[in-house]
Amino acid sequence: GQNIDQPTEMTATEGAIVQINCTYQTSGFNGLFWYQQHAGEAPTFLSYNVLDGLEEKGRFSSFLSRSKGYSYLLLKELQMKDSASYLCAVRELAGNTPLVFGKGTRLSVIA
Amino acid sequence: EPEVTQTPSHQVTQMGQEVILRCVPISNHLYFYWYRQILGQKVEFLVSFYNNEISEKSEIFDDQFSVERPDGSNFTLKIRSTKLEDSAMYFCASSAGTGYEQYFGPGTRLTVT
Repeated sequence: GQNIDQPTEMTATEGAIVQINCTYQTSGFNGLFWYQQHAGEAPTFLSYNVLDGLEEKGRFSSFLSRSKGYSYLLLKELQMKDSASYLCAVRELAGNTPLVFGKGTRLSVIA
Repeated sequence: EPEVTQTPSHQVTQMGQEVILRCVPISNHLYFYWYRQILGQKVEFLVSFYNNEISEKSEIFDDQFSVERPDGSNFTLKIRSTKLEDSAMYFCASSAGTGYEQYFGPGTRLTVT
């Protein structure tokens, strides 16, 4: 079966750092993706991890531990525009295979 | 920057009617997908498409659904006889190849009344 868990909601202050966790139990693993989704809009790609460790991309970093079935997305220097849902998604197999999404974490950035 | 486009942005239809949702993937991409997101719920995979045929489909993608690439640019999702529970945001996505990220279009909000 497939199970991808994320917190439902988080709140953080402008300028702060926030970490959004994701745990997964899937039948296979061939990469983990983080997407940002503003209300009523399409998911936009943020990051991709397939090997253990940290991937940094500007204010956003994503970490993966395959042995623990765990990832996090780290957002630094939070801005009001970062208020959105953050979706964790796993690709179970290599090749042209679909993404399995978690329910998403709605992040509210407050002043 | 190239992007996936979808039309219409919003479609309202009556139960039992047929709808066709249209997508133009990024031009050099080879892999195409349809996902849907019921309001307040997670994004769910429907179907993937490569080399003019379906690669994989989910349990949601039953006989009511079909996909087509009628020409070199468009990718369509047809729902033959819509049901109330088909009301959702439908996203098209494309990727350059296996191992690459999927880029999502802005979605079509389908409302079945």
